[in-house]
Amino acid sequence: QVQLQESGPGLVKPSETLSLTCSVSGDSISSYYWSWIRQPPGKGLEWIGYIYDSGSPNYNPSLKSRVTISIDTSKNQFSLRLTSVTAADTAVYYCARDAPLNMGGGAFDIWGQGTMVTVSS
Amino acid sequence: QLVLTQSPSASASLGASVKLTCTLSGGHSSYAIAWHQQQPEKGPRYLMKVNSDDSHNKGDGIPDRFSGSSSGAEYYLTISSLQSEDEADYYCQTWGTGIRVFGGGTKLTVL
Repeated sequence: QVQLQESGPGLVKPSETLSLTCSVSGDSISSYYWSWIRQPPGKGLEWIGYIYDSGSPNYNPSLKSRVTISIDTSKNQFSLRLTSVTAADTAVYYCARDAPLNMGGGAFDIWGQGTMVTVSS
Repeated sequence: QLVLTQSPSASASLGASVKLTCTLSGGHSSYAIAWHQQQPEKGPRYLMKVNSDDSHNKGDGIPDRFSGSSSGAEYYLTISSLQSEDEADYYCQTWGTGIRVFGGGTKLTVL
C-alpha cells in the first residue's frame, strides 16, 4: 500500500523559506511523477509543481520564480522549497502521486494527509 | 491554456442522486479529467478518472454509487443514493505537458 507523508516546520517567518519533504513508502519513487499541491484556508486546491526521477521539474507559472522541487531517490523522498514567503502562502500543503512516467500526466491518485504551514512573525 | 470550470455549490436530498459538472476549456477532445472528494476537515481523496470516450476508472474502495461520464468538453460526476457523508467539496483536475490544473470546486450539501 503506497503512503505519502509530509513533514516540515508548521510556522515560517515572512520573507523566509518554506521547506517541506514528502516521504514515499510502498512504491519506488522512480516510477512516477510526484506533485505538490496547496490549499489556503477556506479556498480551493492549487497545483504547485511536479518532479520525476532524472527529469526537470515543472512549476505553476504563478509560483515559478519562488519554487524549487527536488527528488532524492536514495531516500524515496521529494522536497519543496518556497522562498520569500508572505501571509498569502499560509496553507495546507499536500504531496501527491501523479502519473506513471509513461503517461506524461495524469490523476493524483494517492495523497498525503497534508501539513499546515502558517507564515507569521 | 487549460481551464476547468465548476459550479460553486450544489444540493440534493438524502437518498437522491446528483450530477456535478466540470467544463474543460483550452484543451482538446481527447483530454481526461479526474474527480477528487474532500470531506470537511480532511484531505482530498481520489475518486476516479473520466476519459473522453465516456469511460471511467475508479480508485480503490470507491463505492458503486459514484460514477463518471463525459460529453464533449463536459465531464460529470454522478452520486446516487446520497448519504450524509457525501457532503463534501468535489474538485475536478486535469493535466497536460508540464501543467496540472484544478477546477474551483463544488460544495455539495446533502439536505
